[in-house]
Amino acid sequence: GNSVTQMEGPVTLSEEAFLTINCTYTATGYPSLFWYVQYPGEGLQLLLKATKADDKGSNKGFEATYRKETTSFHLEKGSVQVSDSAVYFCALSDLGTDSWGKLQFGAGTQVVVTP
Amino acid sequence: KAGVTQTPRYLIKTRGQQVTLSCSPISGHRSVSWYQQTPGQGLQFLFEYFSETQRNKGNFPGRFSGRQFSNSRSEMNVSTLELGDSALYLCASSLVQGQNYGYTFGSGTRLTVV
Repeated sequence: GNSVTQMEGPVTLSEEAFLTINCTYTATGYPSLFWYVQYPGEGLQLLLKATKADDKGSNKGFEATYRKETTSFHLEKGSVQVSDSAVYFCALSDLGTDSWGKLQFGAGTQVVVTP
Repeated sequence: KAGVTQTPRYLIKTRGQQVTLSCSPISGHRSVSWYQQTPGQGLQFLFEYFSETQRNKGNFPGRFSGRQFSNSRSEMNVSTLELGDSALYLCASSLVQGQNYGYTFGSGTRLTVV
């Protein structure tokens, strides 16, 4: 079956540091890939997405490139802010009747940015 | 544009009781999915509804059920509550099938079973 593996946290960074969160996936088909962010006490917000190989998703300074050859979708940001402190989830959505409405999530990576 | 609305935000129930949670999707979205989030198991898919039909179901016991109304609003029900059902329950909506568009999540209902 499908699965998503992302690096464990917490990841602690100083403001303006470079952030990378690794995400790899296993899928039988050609999934779409997503990064979601969850702030304390809130639901999930879609950060960015990519629907096919070599697509680059980007939003709010975050980027991730869909790499089919390495089955990866690593999240990067060049200069983090304290407001980026949150839990980040990598997820995939596959085609097929057993995938309708279903996102397969990684375990989440907590990011803590200190001033 | 209003987002996905989940009610109530917080619930405290006693073991053995039942509970109903509500989700109103974004206007025009016809697909509604439900997830359970716990510290130990992470985010787990419960089920998905589209045009009042359950199209997909996760690996949860029959105590977990749901339905969708003609206006796309959805409810999920948990009967005979157990302590382990304490979790954040999230719903997400999508236009048709979120594979290309992504899913928009609500803020969740935090259920505590005592």
